[in-house]
Amino acid sequence: AQSVAQPEDQVKVAEGNPLTVKCTYSVSGNPYLFWYVQYPNRGLQFLLKYITGDNLVKGSYGFEAEFNKSQTSFHLKKPSALVSDSALYFCAVRVKIYGGSQGNLIFGKGTKLSVKP
Amino acid sequence: DTEVTQTPKHLVMGMTNKKSLKCEQHMGHRAMYWYKQKAKKPPELMFVYSYEKLSINESVPSRFSPECPNSSLLNLHLHALQPEDSALYLCASSHPGLAGEGEKDTQYFGPGTRLTVL
Repeated sequence: AQSVAQPEDQVKVAEGNPLTVKCTYSVSGNPYLFWYVQYPNRGLQFLLKYITGDNLVKGSYGFEAEFNKSQTSFHLKKPSALVSDSALYFCAVRVKIYGGSQGNLIFGKGTKLSVKP
Repeated sequence: DTEVTQTPKHLVMGMTNKKSLKCEQHMGHRAMYWYKQKAKKPPELMFVYSYEKLSINESVPSRFSPECPNSSLLNLHLHALQPEDSALYLCASSHPGLAGEGEKDTQYFGPGTRLTVL
């Protein structure tokens, strides 16, 4: 079965420190991996994705993620956290379903990031 | 422009009411989605439209009725809802992708409609 795991319910970091939000996946075939961020009472904003190519993917707002095939991981990172980064972060894998051309997003449970001043 | 708009932002309805949620995008996307999200949980897929045709219905109760009148609009008609249907309803869209490669395309989400069923 296709699945995504975010092992941490919450991550707390101090402003200016590096942050990491962890994600591991289990899929058959090539993994197409995404990170989204959700601020309170808002929709999901796309941050970055890995489809193929360079294992280090750079995205919006200074975030990046490293794809590691051997560890089946896709951790989200930022060198220097901001208080405004505080939000709920979702890792997702997109899989083709029902033999069609569309792909469904399977989300992890989410990780709440808190950045303290 | 990667904007998906949703109206209304908030909706309160009784269990006997009929209401509709609206979603609009002008990115030329031909795949549109409805998700339901409960508090502090990930979104759950409800419906997928591809080229204005319903392609996926994730066993959603018939009190939810989707409609895709054209390539830019997606509606969700609500009737006789239950209090447990209270949630954030998210719309998303994406390019349909090349044949067999739709899963590579990014889904862009709207801000959602916060629904409360009394």
